[in-house]
Amino acid sequence: DQQVKQNSPSLSVQEGRISILNCDYTNSMFDYFLWYKKYPAEGPTFLISISSIKDKNEDGRFTVFLNKSAKHLSLHIVPSQPGDSAVYFCAATDYRGSTLGRLYFGRGTQLTVWP
Amino acid sequence: ETGVTQSPTHLIKTRGQQVTLRCSSQSGHNTVSWYQQALGQGPQFIFQYYREEENGRGNFPPRFSGLQFPNYSSELNVNALELDDSALYLCASSPVAGQGDTEAFFGQGTRLTVV
Repeated sequence: DQQVKQNSPSLSVQEGRISILNCDYTNSMFDYFLWYKKYPAEGPTFLISISSIKDKNEDGRFTVFLNKSAKHLSLHIVPSQPGDSAVYFCAATDYRGSTLGRLYFGRGTQLTVWP
Repeated sequence: ETGVTQSPTHLIKTRGQQVTLRCSSQSGHNTVSWYQQALGQGPQFIFQYYREEENGRGNFPPRFSGLQFPNYSSELNVNALELDDSALYLCASSPVAGQGDTEAFFGQGTRLTVV
């Protein structure tokens, strides 16, 4: 039972344009969401997170939007750069401000940014 | 401050054998989680250790077991290896509770191949 879904396995974007990666979840108990980037032969690297008390969080070129009523979040990358080409994973958890517990991951979206 | 390190990076084992994977958590982190990532999938939660006690377990059989040591390093043991155990095994550590927004820091993973 996939509680976090990334329905687009791949996304191709031209350099300088916006990349939008989408994620849906089913468990209403999830209150903390994270995005990770993964290059081949490396572990996932944290990008940005958002708590359910917010609907937007920004960090440089990366912005995450959360729509709780739709159980949907998205990651915007502006402007996209060739170095952003990687697999992006959405993850969710029931955090409640205590020790970070089990993360539920989507299957990932392969982003390719071409010059 | 060192990151999360895992050993070995690659391993080939025969079906039926046993394997031990090791993880050194990031300095100051008292929570360690293990994930299995099969090809084309997102990481799947195996279990988590908090202050040397198991603190949650995913849908994995008992032949997957673990330990956390007083220095917060950890081991993942898998007995009676099966071909389907071939995957990337990821270790992640998290900081102490109650520090607001947080993340799990991942190691580079151990690629296990069972033949």
